[in-house]
Amino acid sequence: DAGVIQSPRHEVTEMGQEVTLRCKPISGHNSLFWYRQTMMRGLELLIYFNNNVPIDDSGMPEDRFSAKMPNASFSTLKIQPSEPRDSAVYFCASSVRLWREKETQYFGPGTRLLVL
Amino acid sequence: QQQVKQSPQSLIVQKGGISIINCAYENTAFDYFPWYQQFPGKGPALLIAIRPDVSEKKEGRFTISFNKSAKQFSLHIMDSQPGDSATYFCAAYNTNAGKSTFGDGTTLTVKP
Repeated sequence: DAGVIQSPRHEVTEMGQEVTLRCKPISGHNSLFWYRQTMMRGLELLIYFNNNVPIDDSGMPEDRFSAKMPNASFSTLKIQPSEPRDSAVYFCASSVRLWREKETQYFGPGTRLLVL
Repeated sequence: QQQVKQSPQSLIVQKGGISIINCAYENTAFDYFPWYQQFPGKGPALLIAIRPDVSEKKEGRFTISFNKSAKQFSLHIMDSQPGDSATYFCAAYNTNAGKSTFGDGTTLTVKP
């Protein structure tokens, strides 16, 4: 199993530019999570999907952030326009959520974003 | 409102010593408590987890102690090794909400 795949692994962009982060979850997993990690705020849940449907986006910081999951094998997190304070490591995680089962999230390697 | 409080923020232990990381939660709806281990440049990975109907779970050198009445749980690493040096996150999972809430993390350094 290849695990959760994220791309790009590193992204450097200038303020105002659009940034798109990509994630391929583990095959068969039905939940997908986007997290942001910074020294100041730790690991923050931005949004999560269940069966490709956004369930909770309360962690999305503002309208500049959007996420989509067009199918079970692909998700994107977009920041438009990007700002220096968006600099962080963005993780995608997936899990299989079965009725009455406890979920284990499998994290990808992360995308390190630097906005200049 | 921070729902899962983790301490200490950082911890330095000598090789062979015991590392102890503590977490406290507020929401009684949490029903599963995993710990994740994260090495530099990597994503967090599940280390060990416990359900609230047991008070302790042990896997090798790693033990979770759980106190439901106090709403506290802790990770104990016995015979700590330099290879255990990493950041550890506690988490609390709410089945109905379908998501985990993470603590702020503890950076563990095990000195040889």
